[in-house]
Amino acid sequence: ETGVTQTPRHLVMGMTNKKSLKCEQHLGHNAMYWYKQSAKKPLELMFVYNFKEQTENNSVPSRFSPECPNSSHLFLHLHTLQPEDSALYLCASSQDFSGTGGGSYEQYFGPGTRLTVT
Amino acid sequence: AQSVTQPDIHITVSEGASLELRCNYSYGATPYLFWYVQSPGQGLQLLLKYFSGDTLVQGIKGFEAEFKRSQSSFNLRKPSVHWSDAAEYFCAVVGNAGKSTFGDGTTLTVKP
Repeated sequence: ETGVTQTPRHLVMGMTNKKSLKCEQHLGHNAMYWYKQSAKKPLELMFVYNFKEQTENNSVPSRFSPECPNSSHLFLHLHTLQPEDSALYLCASSQDFSGTGGGSYEQYFGPGTRLTVT
Repeated sequence: AQSVTQPDIHITVSEGASLELRCNYSYGATPYLFWYVQSPGQGLQLLLKYFSGDTLVQGIKGFEAEFKRSQSSFNLRKPSVHWSDAAEYFCAVVGNAGKSTFGDGTTLTVKP
């Protein structure tokens, strides 16, 4: 595998279910991101992890719970979701969040998980 | 606070015609600027980036962009559009110690 992978690619879940999205990057990066992309809305940054530490949480509801066990893996745990949470969830990685590498701000995105909450 | 504006929600061009997608940013210092492209059902792919130096930057797939500080703009151009260029295009600015802000996107339709 190369680049950034996400599983599953499609997920349908009921409002009472618990599921998890997985992201894995094979680029040796130290920062990982979760974004939400809804129809007719701009890309929303949800969480940022830099060297496994959460550095950003953009007022995301607690029904979304991120986990970053190491620099290569990022999870998004979902529970008690609402229909308005249906969206494309994108994972991205970059060399690091602080940009000390001078060119490390560019982000590499996975293909996304299309989530439908019924 | 930093922000990005892409004034055109949707643009239609004929195949072979030239293309310019507009991007305006707001940031107190010289920002890092990016253009990404997203095909349907896919993630975003980096087209090109500007950090410093030459204000005209070349990217993949024949795209280029020009940074104009006086106009706070970073417009994306391509001399001759191909049908495969139909996609959504996002401009992004990175400032404030690494925080990214994306524009709302411009959807490009290519007419045969």
